[in-house]
Amino acid sequence: DQQVKQNSPSLSVQEGRISILNCDYTNSMFDYFLWYKKYPAEGPTFLISISSIKDKNEDGRFTVFLNKSAKHLSLHIVPSQPGDSAVYFCAASVRSGYALNFGKGTSLLVTP
Amino acid sequence: DVKVTQSSRYLVKRTGEKVFLECVQDMDHENMFWYRQDPGLGLRLIYFSYDVKMKEKGDIPEGYSVSREKKERFSLILESASTNQTSMYLCASSYSGRARGSLFFGPGTRLTVL
Repeated sequence: DQQVKQNSPSLSVQEGRISILNCDYTNSMFDYFLWYKKYPAEGPTFLISISSIKDKNEDGRFTVFLNKSAKHLSLHIVPSQPGDSAVYFCAASVRSGYALNFGKGTSLLVTP
Repeated sequence: DVKVTQSSRYLVKRTGEKVFLECVQDMDHENMFWYRQDPGLGLRLIYFSYDVKMKEKGDIPEGYSVSREKKERFSLILESASTNQTSMYLCASSYSGRARGSLFFGPGTRLTVL
């Protein structure tokens, strides 16, 4: 059963606009959330994370928002750039866990 | 720079063959992981190891085994390859303790089983 869900397989955004990628989770024990970015033929790379004690974390053009009551998080990219075109994976972990649970990914295309 | 390397980028094997996928990390990480990535299914955990000679099953361990004889090396073994094991295999490592920090991934091995 998928505990981390990314319901949008793909998203297309114009360069300079905001990209919003969404993620929902079902396990209330998750307390740490991460976003990874993956280019074709490469391994995923860590982008940004957020702990459940926060509701927002910002790093340059990337901001992650966490809504614990809704079990929802989102990644905002502002402004979007063509180099941001990649597959974005949402991931979550429990305090006692070693591994990450990943969503299915959202393919972002930023057009010039 | 953290480096996770995988022995092959592309591999083609025949049904029934025994297949070894090797992964090496150079950051002295305690934890190592094997995931597979399939279209529409995302990344699914096969096995992980939190210490030398220790291993834990992930979500989809069937048909696979692992070996961790040295801290820096984590091998994934397909005992008898089948066509449904055609996939992208990703190795990752992380610092000791629980999954508080990020995983560092290798470039992946694209395995095709004919």
